[in-house]
Amino acid sequence: AQKVTQAQTEISVVEKEDVTLDCVYETRDTTYYLFWYKQPPSGELVFLIRRNSFDEQNEISGRYSWNFQKSTSSFNFTITASQVVDSAVYFCALSPNDYKLSFGAGTTVTVRA
Amino acid sequence: GAGVSQSPRYKVAKRGQDVALRCDPISGHVSLFWYQQALGQGPEFLTYFQNEAQLDKSGLPSDRFFAERPEGSVSTLKIQRTQQEDSAVYLCASSFDGSGELFFGEGSRLTVL
Repeated sequence: AQKVTQAQTEISVVEKEDVTLDCVYETRDTTYYLFWYKQPPSGELVFLIRRNSFDEQNEISGRYSWNFQKSTSSFNFTITASQVVDSAVYFCALSPNDYKLSFGAGTTVTVRA
Repeated sequence: GAGVSQSPRYKVAKRGQDVALRCDPISGHVSLFWYQQALGQGPEFLTYFQNEAQLDKSGLPSDRFFAERPEGSVSTLKIQRTQQEDSAVYLCASSFDGSGELFFGEGSRLTVL
């Protein structure tokens, strides 16, 4: 069974603060894929990152960074120097086969000016 | 447009009515997915097509749900004899290579009265 837990329901920060979103997953598969998606108010989910279970290297893309720790089954996401446009619901997802994604419940991030 | 297009954006149905939701994926994308998103929850996988072949329909909640993609491009999700618990946003996504890097549409919000 696949399970993704995003314990933080809502996070509110002031612009320029850093914000870290937690994601903990459960799987019995030895090979799997992890994802983060952003869902702005328009409703259209936007792909942010895809990582396979063999690649534990952390990744940075602009103000976004991801920390994958297999030992703790976590795949956390940090937004550095947050901006109002970062306000959205962020979903972590897990897949055993790279197409059937199991999403967490999401974390709503509100960035105040 | 260049993105995934879904119609109708909003649908209100009386309990017991049949509905059909359409998805027009990005041109050239081989894979097409349907997800269901209940209010305040993450999306849940319904079904997956590669070209016209439905490779996985394990997420369809009952035999009232049926999806097709007869020519390998546009897809239709049909729900027969709608029930109140079918109320949700139905998201369509496509990908070029079947990976979890999905391009989502804005969804079709179904409300069953």
